[in-house]
Amino acid sequence: GNSVTQMEGPVTLSEEAFLTINCTYTATGYPSLFWYVQYPGEGLQLLLKATKADDKGSNKGFEATYRKETTSFHLEKGSVQVSDSAVYFCALSGGGADGLTFGKGTHLIIQP
Amino acid sequence: GAVVSQHPSRVICKSGTSVKIECRSLDFQATTMFWYRQFPKQSLMLMATSNEGSKATYEQGVEKDKFLINHASLTLSTLTVTSAHPEDSSFYICSAPRRAMGTEAFFGQGTRLTVV
Repeated sequence: GNSVTQMEGPVTLSEEAFLTINCTYTATGYPSLFWYVQYPGEGLQLLLKATKADDKGSNKGFEATYRKETTSFHLEKGSVQVSDSAVYFCALSGGGADGLTFGKGTHLIIQP
Repeated sequence: GAVVSQHPSRVICKSGTSVKIECRSLDFQATTMFWYRQFPKQSLMLMATSNEGSKATYEQGVEKDKFLINHASLTLSTLTVTSAHPEDSSFYICSAPRRAMGTEAFFGQGTRLTVV
């Protein structure tokens, strides 16, 4: 079956630091890949996505590239801000009528 | 943009009572909706797939008689936690894929259920 593995947190960084959150997956076929963000007390929001190999998703300064050869979708940001503090979930979808398969989430804490 | 609305956002109930959570797609029709459960500091686990006009499909280990799902219309799915117990306390989130937007799923705000 499908599975998603992401680095566990919490990850604590200083403002303006470079961020990488690793995500690898196992899936049959050609899944779509997503990063969702959950701010305190809120539901999930789609941050970015990629639907095929070598696609790069980007939003709000965050980027992730769909790497089929390494089955990875690592999230990066060049300069983080305090407002980026949240829990980040990597997820995949096999498409069709399937629900998403989520990683365990990574709690990111950005200190001023 | 597409919006999924979930209600209530927080509910506290007594053990043994039932609680209904609603999930609505506000500007699109959703023949399928998904219900997830999130334990503290853990990931979201898919509980069931709600299908409009037919029975829900439950994931292994999820009690269908405890978590009743009704998808009565193309814009509304409900999850009823029956005879709630403290171990049912959790964060429940619904989502709906919008077909016109590929495989992207839109999520409700979530419901924090506390059973006392």
